[in-house]
Amino acid sequence: EAGVAQSPRYKIIEKRQSVAFWCNPISGHATLYWYQQILGQGPKLLIQFQNNGVVDDSQLPKDRFSAERLKGVDSTLKIQPAKLEDSAVYLCASSSLQNTEAFFGQGTRLTVV
Amino acid sequence: AQSVAQPEDQVNVAEGNPLTVKCTYSVSGNPYLFWYVQYPNRGLQFLLKYITGDNLVKGSYGFEAEFNKSQTSFHLKKPSALVSDSALYFCAVRDGAGNKLTFGGGTRVLVKP
Repeated sequence: EAGVAQSPRYKIIEKRQSVAFWCNPISGHATLYWYQQILGQGPKLLIQFQNNGVVDDSQLPKDRFSAERLKGVDSTLKIQPAKLEDSAVYLCASSSLQNTEAFFGQGTRLTVV
Repeated sequence: AQSVAQPEDQVNVAEGNPLTVKCTYSVSGNPYLFWYVQYPNRGLQFLLKYITGDNLVKGSYGFEAEFNKSQTSFHLKKPSALVSDSALYFCAVRDGAGNKLTFGGGTRVLVKP
């Protein structure tokens, strides 16, 4: 069984530019998560989807971050415009049911300069 | 709001000695509890979970965890640590309604030969 795929693995952009991350969850997994992990901290949930509907986006900075999962499978997370404090690893995860473990991709390391 | 506390930033242990990583949680209703491990430049790997049933749960790589409802704790344990267990460990909680998966700040484990 293939794992959660994320791309790109690394991205360096200048502040005020835009960037997008892509995630392909494990086949058949209805729940998809995007987390932000700042160096030295635990992952912080940005948004959680159940199929193509949003379950929780309470910690998503909606003035600059957006995410979509149009067909209930792949998802993209976008930042526009980026700030220096957005430098972090962005992790995508998926699970088959809301009460089972989540499986994580390798993440995208974003550096904003 | 649900939360997870990992009171130790780092745990040092000699190889062959028992390892314990502490975790306490706060959540409404019955908790679903998880432990993950993160190696450098990698995503999070699932170790074990508690959903219901026996308070002692066994997971991957010889790890186990004990659920204590009265103390709201879910400590991770390994009877004999290996140098290869050196990594970052995260505890996570989800409430019974299947809402968001919240992580603790992480504990770095260093196993010395």
